[in-house]
Amino acid sequence: GESVGLHLPTLSVQEGDNSIINCAYSNSASDYFIWYKQESGKGPQFIIDIRSNMDKRQGQRVTVLLNKTVKHLSLQIAATQPGDSAVYFCGDGRGSQGNLIFGKGTKLSVKP
Amino acid sequence: GAGVSQSPSNKVTEKGKDVELRCDPISGHTALYWYRQRLGQGLEFLIYFQGNSAPDKSGLPSDRFSAERTGESVSTLTIQRTQQEDSAVYLCASSPQGRLYNEQFFGPGTRLTVL
Repeated sequence: GESVGLHLPTLSVQEGDNSIINCAYSNSASDYFIWYKQESGKGPQFIIDIRSNMDKRQGQRVTVLLNKTVKHLSLQIAATQPGDSAVYFCGDGRGSQGNLIFGKGTKLSVKP
Repeated sequence: GAGVSQSPSNKVTEKGKDVELRCDPISGHTALYWYRQRLGQGLEFLIYFQGNSAPDKSGLPSDRFSAERTGESVSTLTIQRTQQEDSAVYLCASSPQGRLYNEQFFGPGTRLTVL
């Protein structure tokens, strides 16, 4: 099956700065995309999702951007805080199926 | 409210033994998923249940792996004749509906160590 890849395995940002985590996908049939956050020793936690009929969706301090032309997905975190330190996974799925395919994850470290 | 729970939280076993991992989804969630996460790696899809049936078993890595779900509730993932490469965190998730466009709620996982 298709896999979702990440451009960078690690990202270090200064507290208060904005963070951008990127993700690439390969299957043009994917119509649902999602971001999860996983803190050490815990299960993944939903952050935000977006369907392919949208190119931007905003949540609390987070924005997901979808560029279907280049099959690229990004997660923007505004005013990054120490509590944002975690591994972030992007995932994609097809509406006809029930499972998500996840990438390897990007580890975000926030420096005080 | 109660989230997804998994048991045991940690399991250490010897190579060749069978293990059973349990998942209790959120009450009322019809869909249930199992994933495997090796150390420092991403989430590897194993199997998906809609109700008690499994329309997608494509992620099960070998015939040593099996899973069942009863009462549209609890699910058990069984690994027979465990191998060292089975060592990983096994995560379970549930969602209100089987089709996508729904958030999956993850449990804390079971850390399996095969010696």
